[in-house]
Amino acid sequence: GAVVSQHPSWVICKSGTSVKIECRSLDFQATTMFWYRQFPKQSLMLMATSNEGSKATYEQGVEKDKFLINHASLTLSTLTVTSAHPEDSSFYICSARGTVLDYEQYFGPGTRLTVT
Amino acid sequence: ILNVEQSPQSLHVQEGDSTNFTCSFPSSNFYALHWYRWETAKSPEALFVMTLNGDEKKKGRISATLNTKEGYSYLYIKGSQPEDSATYLCAFKETSGSRLTFGEGTQLTVNP
Repeated sequence: GAVVSQHPSWVICKSGTSVKIECRSLDFQATTMFWYRQFPKQSLMLMATSNEGSKATYEQGVEKDKFLINHASLTLSTLTVTSAHPEDSSFYICSARGTVLDYEQYFGPGTRLTVT
Repeated sequence: ILNVEQSPQSLHVQEGDSTNFTCSFPSSNFYALHWYRWETAKSPEALFVMTLNGDEKKKGRISATLNTKEGYSYLYIKGSQPEDSATYLCAFKETSGSRLTFGEGTQLTVNP
């Protein structure tokens, strides 16, 4: 199946700093990428949807100035958590949808962010 | 807010046991129901995409059924093996353009 990588797999940063997470589709072109967040014992919650070359669409309650998403190519999307705070500590995971199949979304392995 | 529920939350079985768990979703509008298998430190792996009422899908020892009229899907694992230990997620899609709404998952542990 299609492979999506995510980097880094975990990161610890200090409060007030920014962190960038990369999501890459390795063997297919992804016109659409999705960013999810998961808090402990909760389900994956969609944060935003990004289409290549367009501005991301954010879900209600997600601050677009805090979670900057860039989808500059068909194989790469980035999520930057700006001025991170301890409450941003969470598990962030991306998924990508190919240009042909609408049904399937392929997930990366996720990034564990801890803000101290 | 769409309500997608999975039960049980966690499950411990012995190697060789067969098991099943449930995903319930709104029955009003339906486009697709996805099942994923998620092992720790790995990417969620797509198991099935189910789109038609009465669908039954099978992959090896794992199978799934779908009832869109009553809003539930069952995932069955026959003769569980330790390598089946994972969290099984279902995700509901209401229309072709809508987001996936995930359940909280069922964490399966198969003891040797």
